[in-house]
Amino acid sequence: QSALTQPASVSGSPGQSITISCTATSSDVGTFNHVSWYQQHPGQAPKVVIYDVTYRPSGVSDRFSGSKSGYTASLTISGLQADDEADYYCKSYTVAKNYVFGTGTMVTVL
Amino acid sequence: QVQVLQSGAEVKKPGASVKVSCKASGHTFVNYFLHWVRQAPGQAPGQGLEWVGAINPNTGTTRIAQSLQGRLSLTRDASTGTVYMEIFSLTSADTALYSCAVEPSGTYYLHQWGQGALVTVSS
Repeated sequence: QSALTQPASVSGSPGQSITISCTATSSDVGTFNHVSWYQQHPGQAPKVVIYDVTYRPSGVSDRFSGSKSGYTASLTISGLQADDEADYYCKSYTVAKNYVFGTGTMVTVL
Repeated sequence: QVQVLQSGAEVKKPGASVKVSCKASGHTFVNYFLHWVRQAPGQAPGQGLEWVGAINPNTGTTRIAQSLQGRLSLTRDASTGTVYMEIFSLTSADTALYSCAVEPSGTYYLHQWGQGALVTVSS
């Protein structure tokens, strides 16, 4: 079964930049071009911040950016703010036309 | 404004089945999928998000996670746009918040989420 591995936690100080990685452990993710990232605050539904690796939905801060190298996708948050403290999940489309979520990363703003 | 409305919480005994409904409204999507995502209770991200499956309310096309093949049924009422997720042979491992979310076809991401339905499996 497909799996996407993320670091359990990442932290940074206000104003700094942090990067969260998302590594596919099998080729089931195909081209890995349909990677999206979701932010989830406690008790709330997830919210998409990046889709198709690098695209930002309307209304999402340009402090969020995405990239990819091989089978590792990354989410970078620049100018870290207190409200960025949340859990972040990557998600990828697979060759089976299904989806798989990453293991999740807890972001802490120091 | 797109809204995703789900049915309420359920409590079931091990071995039973559960059926949860979902409907998206206020949208103009011609073709879309409604996805099911579950998250076990507890402190995230240890209790992460798990993709369960998806169904197109218009065509009935379904996608089901390999881990739930044989225990999950996704159906729809095309006349109302309501979709249903039914899980059979429940175990305590199925205890989770089941959320429904909209994906306009071809966008590959979840635009709007419902409030979730907590399914508790307990003897």
